[in-house]
Amino acid sequence: DAMVIQNPRYQVTQFGKPVTLSCSQTLNHNVMYWYQQKSSQAPKLLFHYYDKDFNNEADTPDNFQSRRPNTSFCFLDIRSPGLGDAAMYLCATSRDRDPRGLAELEGTDTQYFGPGTRLTVL
Amino acid sequence: GQSLEQPSEVTAVEGAIVQINCTYQTSGFYGLSWYQQHDGGAPTFLSYNALDGLEETGRFSSFLSRSDSYGYLLLQELQMKDSASYFCAVSPLSGGYQKVTFGTGTKLQVIP
Repeated sequence: DAMVIQNPRYQVTQFGKPVTLSCSQTLNHNVMYWYQQKSSQAPKLLFHYYDKDFNNEADTPDNFQSRRPNTSFCFLDIRSPGLGDAAMYLCATSRDRDPRGLAELEGTDTQYFGPGTRLTVL
Repeated sequence: GQSLEQPSEVTAVEGAIVQINCTYQTSGFYGLSWYQQHDGGAPTFLSYNALDGLEETGRFSSFLSRSDSYGYLLLQELQMKDSASYFCAVSPLSGGYQKVTFGTGTKLQVIP
């Protein structure tokens, strides 16, 4: 089955110790996203890629970086995790929007999420 | 910018019908989506409204009124497994590449 996979599912790191989270997809979607979600809150977009075109959200801290070496894989690097970075990190994908403008009727805004990586910072 | 407001919590009885509202302020968007998220799990897509009106998918229906800046998710014949958080979301016309803004989320508790 086509899917979005995240590894690891649970990550424990120490304060200030760099950590990398990975995401892979078999859906062949152009767009990949990284979200941070804290308890009882909505997912917060950190950045997204359209193919290799990187788009950073204005309020995403510099501590967060991302790499997308190919269509299938995307990585989230947290250079110096702080206690406030403990959260669930969600990777998602979506298809390209139809340039003819018909895609909105087909629901191609749909995002396909991976199971998430829960990060604990000690 | 975009903001989408939802009630924070809703409680309903098994077998009943519940409506989760979403009111928004946005400069324009392609469509309104709904996602379900169980505790510890990832959001999963439920429904999408590109046009005004009602979309029905099994026990779930979703409604959109652009003129009223309002939408809702209707869950019928509630089951215990429907206990989860529900998020409305929009894809704004500005920003491109299908960026999605999520609502504040509603935690639904289904009780026997």
